Amino acid sequence: EPEVTQTPSHQVTQMGQEVILRCVPISNHLYFYWYRQILGQKVEFLVSFYNNEISEKSEIFDDQFSVERPDGSNFTLKIRSTKLEDSAMYFCASSIGRSPLHFGNGTRLTVT
Amino acid sequence: AQRVTQPEKLLSVFKGAPVELKCNYSYSGSPELFWYVQYSRQRLQLLLRHISRESIKGFTADLNKGETSFHLKKPFAQEEDSAMYYCALMQGGSEKLVFGKGTKLTVNP
Repeated sequence: EPEVTQTPSHQVTQMGQEVILRCVPISNHLYFYWYRQILGQKVEFLVSFYNNEISEKSEIFDDQFSVERPDGSNFTLKIRSTKLEDSAMYFCASSIGRSPLHFGNGTRLTVT
Repeated sequence: AQRVTQPEKLLSVFKGAPVELKCNYSYSGSPELFWYVQYSRQRLQLLLRHISRESIKGFTADLNKGETSFHLKKPFAQEEDSAMYYCALMQGGSEKLVFGKGTKLTVNP
């Protein structure tokens, strides 16, 4: 069964550094998403992406965040200048229509 | 704003016992509701969605609009059901899933 893949599984970075989290969605899917889960808290929506543009974003997704689909397969989340509070598990997801979502295994981001 | 509440952080039952994981939501429109499951060290997976009205791995969930609930039930729990269970809501016209905090189910032998 096809899966959403995310790399790396764990990323450690220093505060103020830029990070790029990478995702390969399922190939025939059209909607792409990023969610995050801070330790002990809810899974939270960050952004959805459809037809090569952001279709919806949350208040968390401020100017420090950006997403890109640089080619036909990858979907990336960039955090321009990481803060300690960006430490979380970041999940990529994709779907054919609006639902249901298929999630990746996540990237654990640790900002020190 | 829409909200999903899972009142139990932890739930522990014995194998063969019935299990019910509670989920309540607040949303004024007609939501789409889902249960996602995360087994140890695995990804979040869709377990079921209310519009399918199907039973997956023996689990069912009925949307009760009067009580704004979408409780997940299984008549006879198995050890392999031990996992984190997340209830989630998607409102009409949105692509955003709103998750509850999750319930960790442990099925003891």
